[in-house]
Amino acid sequence: AQSVTQLGSHVSVSEGALVLLRCNYSSSVPPYLFWYVQYPNQGLQLLLKYTTGATLVKGINGFEAEFKKSETSFHLTKPSAHMSDAAEYFCANSGSARQLTFGSGTQLTVLP
Amino acid sequence: GAVVSQHPSWVICKSGTSVKIECRSLDFQATTMFWYRQFPKQSLMLMATSNEGSKATYEQGVEKDKFLINHASLTLSTLTVTSAHPEDSSFYICSAGQGVYEQFFGPGTRLTVL
Repeated sequence: AQSVTQLGSHVSVSEGALVLLRCNYSSSVPPYLFWYVQYPNQGLQLLLKYTTGATLVKGINGFEAEFKKSETSFHLTKPSAHMSDAAEYFCANSGSARQLTFGSGTQLTVLP
Repeated sequence: GAVVSQHPSWVICKSGTSVKIECRSLDFQATTMFWYRQFPKQSLMLMATSNEGSKATYEQGVEKDKFLINHASLTLSTLTVTSAHPEDSSFYICSAGQGVYEQFFGPGTRLTVL
């Protein structure tokens, strides 16, 4: 069975500061991990994914995440926050049958 | 590539009526589509998994007679909310599967039942 825990339902950072959104997972099979972003009243947009291979994954809009098996983590980072990064972020884990298990989400606020 | 559309983007209906939401994969064929429900400030809850040409698999607690899902072709799945009530008001999002583990999401449909 898959589960995802996102630590911190709300994160605030100043514009230009480091963004760190935390995600821990549990999985009975090798995990396939995803980060999605959702803007108000819109669907989900894939930021990045980890399937196999390199554990540091680079995504769109300057985001990246590192898969750490020993820590069962897949934290999302961005070196310098931009106002346009303000949104809801979801970490997800995919097991069998393509079903995604989502974390509870983290609302990112970027302060000017 | 990998674009998924939903129609309508928003709908308001009276209590007791039925509403149909369409989900289309525009540039790829999707053997599997998923329907999610999202309440305000909450995460996505999987309602059902829809496979082309077969009956949908509903998650525990989701009423299959209330949320009718049809996946008649490799590019179209529909969700019909039957006899809608105000508690059915929500944001409904579909996704289409491509490859082994990846899903592409539609823009969502905001349903408001008066």
